[in-house]
Amino acid sequence: DTAVSQTPKYLVTQMGNDKSIKCEQNLGHDTMYWYKQDSKKFLKIMFSYNNKELIINETVPNRFSPKSPDKAHLNLHINSLELGDSAVYFCASSHWRGGKETQYFGPGTRLLVL
Amino acid sequence: GENVEQHPSTLSVQEGDSAVIKCTYSDSASNYFPWYKQELGKRPQLIIDIRSNVGEKKDQRIAVTLNKTAKHFSLHITETQPEDSAVYFCAAVPNDYKLSFGAGTTVTVRA
Repeated sequence: DTAVSQTPKYLVTQMGNDKSIKCEQNLGHDTMYWYKQDSKKFLKIMFSYNNKELIINETVPNRFSPKSPDKAHLNLHINSLELGDSAVYFCASSHWRGGKETQYFGPGTRLLVL
Repeated sequence: GENVEQHPSTLSVQEGDSAVIKCTYSDSASNYFPWYKQELGKRPQLIIDIRSNVGEKKDQRIAVTLNKTAKHFSLHITETQPEDSAVYFCAAVPNDYKLSFGAGTTVTVRA
């Protein structure tokens, strides 16, 4: 029944490794996002896809690459992990209705790079 | 692009008192202003929103106000309770539909 799900929930890895986080939504939304939340709680948007097309690509290192195989899935692949990548990564999906947008967030993936 | 500033960054209130969080935005074309609440260890969730054609909206103990001229909007929580302790994010959405979050306010309700 989970609306937006992410896997894994926790990820502990060594510097230099490559890892992926998966996200799926069953709400039928057209738009999906990846956010990074650091220790200061700031929610920084990284990417947004609408119907599998990249529409927002903020200034993030090109070690981060999103992939949307279909509009229900948006995965995030991170190459050559660095200490500063440690954060909570939230996936979200949204729809516009009546001039309002509601973003539904996944439970988050807590990434710790050692 | 839109730039949203949020104050204060932390707020401690006595249980039963009111809490007010203020945000300003830069893009006069922004027309939708949601507020999200994030409890410790949980995901952000929408709690209330307001559109630019409305000046105030209330839902039980929470209310939002919007001043389009000054480009200010605020969240008011009355009769605060321990379960109101959380991080609150304001946001603004301009015509390009690109939502911009404020930096967040950590609210602590003291028993």
